[in-house]
Amino acid sequence: DARVTQTPRDKVTEMGQEVTMRCQPILGHNTVFWYRQTMMQGLELLAYFRNRAPLDDSGMPKDRFSAEMPDATLATLKIQPSEPRDSAVYFCASGMTVNTEAFFGQGTRLTVV
Amino acid sequence: DAKTTQPNSMESNEEEPVHLPCNHSTISGTDYIHWYRQLPSQGPEYVIHGLTSNVNNRMASLAIAEDRKSSTLILHRATLRDAAVYYCILRDSYNNNDMRFGAGTRLTVKP
Repeated sequence: DARVTQTPRDKVTEMGQEVTMRCQPILGHNTVFWYRQTMMQGLELLAYFRNRAPLDDSGMPKDRFSAEMPDATLATLKIQPSEPRDSAVYFCASGMTVNTEAFFGQGTRLTVV
Repeated sequence: DAKTTQPNSMESNEEEPVHLPCNHSTISGTDYIHWYRQLPSQGPEYVIHGLTSNVNNRMASLAIAEDRKSSTLILHRATLRDAAVYYCILRDSYNNNDMRFGAGTRLTVKP
């Protein structure tokens, strides 16, 4: 049963700390998306990759957020330093072409206090 | 620049059909129409997608207008488990393949 796995599921951290969220896409998928969801903003696309190369990260605050794919089985989203306004649920999704479905992970709920 | 327009909310009765509309008047010839839904406390899940022809799968049907400027997601018999936010998304197969969500339609199913 292939699925997108995100870790951790929940993270509480203090303001100013570094946060790393991880995503394991489905094996064979060549496109990975990162989203942030809040009640106010809904689902925002932060960045996405194809074949491990970043295609668009215009949705990310550049000064504190960074997204990478060190290999085909791992995508990371880092926030340094974290701020209370970063509190949200972060989703990762993976897929292939636009003519196929994308699969989402269960999300990482981040709380910055 | 919203590419799709959906009603904020809709209600239906259990075991009745539900028609969820989506307007996409600026759709291009290379845009696929995708529908996802998000159940409470879960990540979005794929429902259905199409390009020009109507599509059916085990979850739903997708009716696409002849001019492709609108589409309708049809749930044939709504259950309480279908209560979710439904998102209509355009994915361009030519320029880029991003997947951007709007506000969606919150569907409430009444027993």
